[in-house]
Amino acid sequence: RKEVEQDPGPFNVPEGATVAFNCTYSNSASQSFFWYRQDCRKEPKLLMSVYSSGNEDGRFTAQLNRASQYISLLIRDSKLSDSATYLCVVNSDSWGKLQFGAGTQVVVTP
Amino acid sequence: NAGVTQTPKFQVLKTGQSMTLQCAQDMNHEYMSWYRQDPGMGLRLIHYSVGAGITDQGEVPNGYNVSRSTTEDFPLRLLSAAPSQTSVYFCASSAQGRVETQYFGPGTRLLVL
Repeated sequence: RKEVEQDPGPFNVPEGATVAFNCTYSNSASQSFFWYRQDCRKEPKLLMSVYSSGNEDGRFTAQLNRASQYISLLIRDSKLSDSATYLCVVNSDSWGKLQFGAGTQVVVTP
Repeated sequence: NAGVTQTPKFQVLKTGQSMTLQCAQDMNHEYMSWYRQDPGMGLRLIHYSVGAGITDQGEVPNGYNVSRSTTEDFPLRLLSAAPSQTSVYFCASSAQGRVETQYFGPGTRLLVL
């Protein structure tokens, strides 16, 4: 079983709509959680960290549910530029050997 | 700052050939790591380093060697290339205590025939 699992999508979203997707993790001792964004054929870049109380960054909202071991990302008022693959990342280790999910593809259409 | 740079961008190898993927960063980051990305698999850690002279194995180290003689450079060596090593390779660096903010290089696309 993979340590971090994501629905690969694609999630096809009309411009201006809201999209949300989850990521589950298997290690209950996981300490910190992040969302990275990866554009096609580009390197991943940190989008946001995920805090226990949930957090927002503009149109993006991240939530953590430790009891059910999942994190979520919600994108409001989707823009064409939001089209990308969103990688769920979990840190279960004091050094920080990050575990990456395979990604959820989001396609925003005009 | 150039950030994290990787060379080459693309490479085609024959089975059994060896090569070195170069990675350099100019942010004075202590931590550097190598990942490979395969379709449907997510990024998997190959080797990592917490500072000059210190390296350790990640999740998929077999067939790869690394060294860290300077803070800036972290080359990845393929000893005897195999078709299973066809992948996209990313080098990343992060500052001590800021593991969540990994800066990735642009990647090297490797095809082993």
